[in-house]
Amino acid sequence: GENVEQHPSTLSVQEGDSAVIKCTYSDSASNYFPWYKQELGKRPQLIIDIRSNVGEKKDQRIAVTLNKTAKHFSLHITETQPEDSAVYFCAASKAAGTASKLTFGTGTRLQVTL
Amino acid sequence: GAVVSQHPSRVICKSGTSVKIECRSLDFQATTMFWYRQFPKQSLMLMATSNEGSKATYEQGVEKDKFLINHASLTLSTLTVTSAHPEDSSFYICSASLQGGGTIYFGEGSWLTVV
Repeated sequence: GENVEQHPSTLSVQEGDSAVIKCTYSDSASNYFPWYKQELGKRPQLIIDIRSNVGEKKDQRIAVTLNKTAKHFSLHITETQPEDSAVYFCAASKAAGTASKLTFGTGTRLQVTL
Repeated sequence: GAVVSQHPSRVICKSGTSVKIECRSLDFQATTMFWYRQFPKQSLMLMATSNEGSKATYEQGVEKDKFLINHASLTLSTLTVTSAHPEDSSFYICSASLQGGGTIYFGEGSWLTVV
């Protein structure tokens, strides 16, 4: 089955700096790669996603890049703010029509300090 | 937008009893839902795929007789933790997506504490 690795497990940045989280996946058939932000005790919130037919996607301060050949994808957060502090999970899926089960990475705890 | 609702949000039960958690798609039909478990400070692990009108598909290592899944309608899947033990204490969360794929929606999650 699919295996997703995520690094780093913890990341501390100063407010205004950029944060980068990286993930690798094992199944070349995976074609959908979402990123989630999860606050303690809450459901994961989708912050950005990318499909395998594109290499990069950006939404304001958040961007995701995908390298299909190397089977890795990264989350980039620019101009970080204290409210960005949370746990971030990458995931991979073979989204083929109706239903998508996700394999999650191990998570990155991001701390944005003042 | 599409909403997935879970109930209860928190439940405490005694060891040896059973607990049922409901997952509902509120404004769309979901032939397939997914159940995940998340232990503190860990990632979400897929437990099973809930299929409307047929048996659930369980991931390796998940006991199907302990975690009973019923998906009797297009908007409701239930997870019953039978003979619960303290090690079953966890955050259980379901997800569903619209027909044709697309965004995956998560329920609010259910905190289970077995004492």
